[in-house]
Amino acid sequence: EDQVTQSPEALRLQEGESSSLNCSYTVSGLRGLFWYRQDPGKGPEFLFTLYSAGEEKEKERLKATLTKKESFLHITAPKPEDSATYLCAVGDNNDMRFGAGTRLTVKP
Amino acid sequence: DAGVTQSPTHLIKTRGQQVTLRCSPKSGHDTVSWYQQALGQGPQFIFQYYEEEERQRGNFPDRFSGHQFPNYSSELNVNALLLGDSALYLCASSFLGQARGYTFGSGTRLTVV
Repeated sequence: EDQVTQSPEALRLQEGESSSLNCSYTVSGLRGLFWYRQDPGKGPEFLFTLYSAGEEKEKERLKATLTKKESFLHITAPKPEDSATYLCAVGDNNDMRFGAGTRLTVKP
Repeated sequence: DAGVTQSPTHLIKTRGQQVTLRCSPKSGHDTVSWYQQALGQGPQFIFQYYEEEERQRGNFPDRFSGHQFPNYSSELNVNALLLGDSALYLCASSFLGQARGYTFGSGTRLTVV
C-alpha cells in the first residue's frame, strides 16, 4: 500500500527565514505527487502536481521538487500569510493518499 | 464558478445515531471522493464515486456508505455512530481521467457525543 511520511510535523519560522518541508513516499509506481495547502477549518487547496524525478514547479514563494523517493516544498522568504498546514499526497484522481502534513507558522 | 459545496458545515450527533452528509461537486466534475480527517491528521480516503457507482474504497467499515446522483452530487452516510467518528469530513471532486489535483470543499465538522 502507498505510504506518505511528512516531516517535520511542525515548523516555526521568522518572516523571511527560508526553509524546506519534506515528503517521503513508498509506492509501487508513482502516478503523481501532490502538494496542498490547508488553512484551519478549511478543505485542502491544490498547489502542485509532480510526475517524474527532477521535475520542479513554482508558485510565488513556493517551489516543489521531486526525487525518486521524496519531494521537497521549499519556501523562500516566507510571510505570515504562508502559515498553514501543507499536505503531500501520492496517487492520481482515481485514488489519492495523504500524509499527516506539516504545520507551518511564520512569525512577523 | 462555484467550487465544491458541502452541507451541513457543522453537526452534533449522539452515539448510535445515523448521519447523512451532502456534497455538490465543482461544475464540470464527474467524480466525487470522500475523506475523513481527524484533528491533527491527514485526510484518510473513504471511497470514491463515478457514474453513480463506488469505484474505490479505503479501509473503512460498512457503516460508511455513499451514493452518487445523476447530477454528480453525492451523499455520505454513517450508521451506528461511534465517538471515534468525530472528524472533519471532506468531499473532493475531479474529472475522471484528468491529471490534476482534487478540488475540495470546506468540509463538514461532525462531533459525536
